[in-house]
Amino acid sequence: GAGVSQSPSNKVTEKGKDVELRCDPISGHTALYWYRQSLGQGLEFLIYFQGNSAPDKSGLPSDRFSAERTGGSVSTLTIQRTQQEDSAVYLCASSSGQMWEVGYYEQYFGPGTRLTVT
Amino acid sequence: KQEVTQIPAALSVPEGENLVLNCSFTDSAIYNLQWFRQDPGKGLTSLLLIQSSQREQTSGRLNASLDKSSGRSTLYIAASQPGDSATYLCAVRLLGSEKLVFGKGTKLTVNP
Repeated sequence: GAGVSQSPSNKVTEKGKDVELRCDPISGHTALYWYRQSLGQGLEFLIYFQGNSAPDKSGLPSDRFSAERTGGSVSTLTIQRTQQEDSAVYLCASSSGQMWEVGYYEQYFGPGTRLTVT
Repeated sequence: KQEVTQIPAALSVPEGENLVLNCSFTDSAIYNLQWFRQDPGKGLTSLLLIQSSQREQTSGRLNASLDKSSGRSTLYIAASQPGDSATYLCAVRLLGSEKLVFGKGTKLTVNP
């Protein structure tokens, strides 16, 4: 089946504007993750969703960042009042979330959204 | 705080060489360690996943080892090919957590 998809692939926005990034996980995957990859930095964890449980938001860098997952599938990462330091590639990943399944631990990544804040 | 370090940051080799990429982590309380490949403009592709109870995993020309007690992993690539050129990332999953902590990667160039 299809892999993880993300849209848009590229986004250029002006400082202070809000942006929304979308992630479509692999069908049937209950776990969804957002990561950020800044120039010269490693990937850093942002947020994790698992089924109907409360999300793990421990990686969100500020209250300008938020994410939601509707219907246990599609997720949207929203950045309000964007700053230049928000420029990065935002990667989404999903995993089966079912401990009894082979590959439970494996995260499958989308191609990312490159965000540039001018 | 878990920190993951990858050495070298970049590596250039002629085609056909065997090579080793290194990854170290500061906290041995991990579920597993994963090696990924990242091509420019693309997402990450999982190469090998080693559970904390395992010592190594193999897939084709790739072999990854894990020494949890010393906080080290190596990715061995045999008979390198130009198509192996990419950035290789190492990541650990922490005990009691779902998130991965990544190193900054090793950029590999295999010259024909």
